[in-house]
Amino acid sequence: KNEVEQSPQNLTAQEGEFITINCSYSVGISALHWLQQHPGGGIVSLFMLSSGKKKHGRLIATINIQEKHSSLHITASHPRDSAVYICAPHSYNTDKLIFGTGTRLQVFP
Amino acid sequence: DAGITQSPRHKVTETGTPVTLRCHQTENHRYMYWYRQDPGHGLRLIHYSYGVKDTDKGEVSDGYSVSRSKTEDFLLTLESATSSQTSVYFCAISGDSRNTEAFFGQGTRLTVV
Repeated sequence: KNEVEQSPQNLTAQEGEFITINCSYSVGISALHWLQQHPGGGIVSLFMLSSGKKKHGRLIATINIQEKHSSLHITASHPRDSAVYICAPHSYNTDKLIFGTGTRLQVFP
Repeated sequence: DAGITQSPRHKVTETGTPVTLRCHQTENHRYMYWYRQDPGHGLRLIHYSYGVKDTDKGEVSDGYSVSRSKTEDFLLTLESATSSQTSVYFCAISGDSRNTEAFFGQGTRLTVV
């Protein structure tokens, strides 16, 4: 079983829709990153969180440490949000980053 | 911008030739990683380092070696490149459990012909 599971793997949406991407992990963590990669582009960290909720513009990330689950929400989605979103927990025991396989989001006008 | 750079950004090489990719950081982070990214596979860990001269294998380490002689540099070497190693390679750095920030290089597109 993978240590990190993301769902869905692929997601299409109409502009303006509310988007949710889920991440479940099985290891103890010290923090969790949500990453974004545009087609052909580099990887950027959107959020790093270890508890609760963080908000940046139209993006909201939440984490429930007890349930080992995190979600990334995008409100009022826009075509420029089209990208791959990757969940990456930071393992407490090994100190390594572990990557989910990513969710490919396409937002159509 | 975080201080992490990869070089080269693009490379085309012939099968059987050695290739070295470099990752350089100015953040003094303990952990450095090399990943490859291929369609349908996401990011897969090749090797990582948890300190100078301390490295370990990831899930797809066959055909690759690494070295870290200084905190700031992590080298990935393909001893004899094969077409299956055509990929985009990403370097990442992260702190430890007391400082879990992470940064990623811009990627190196390697084509083995």
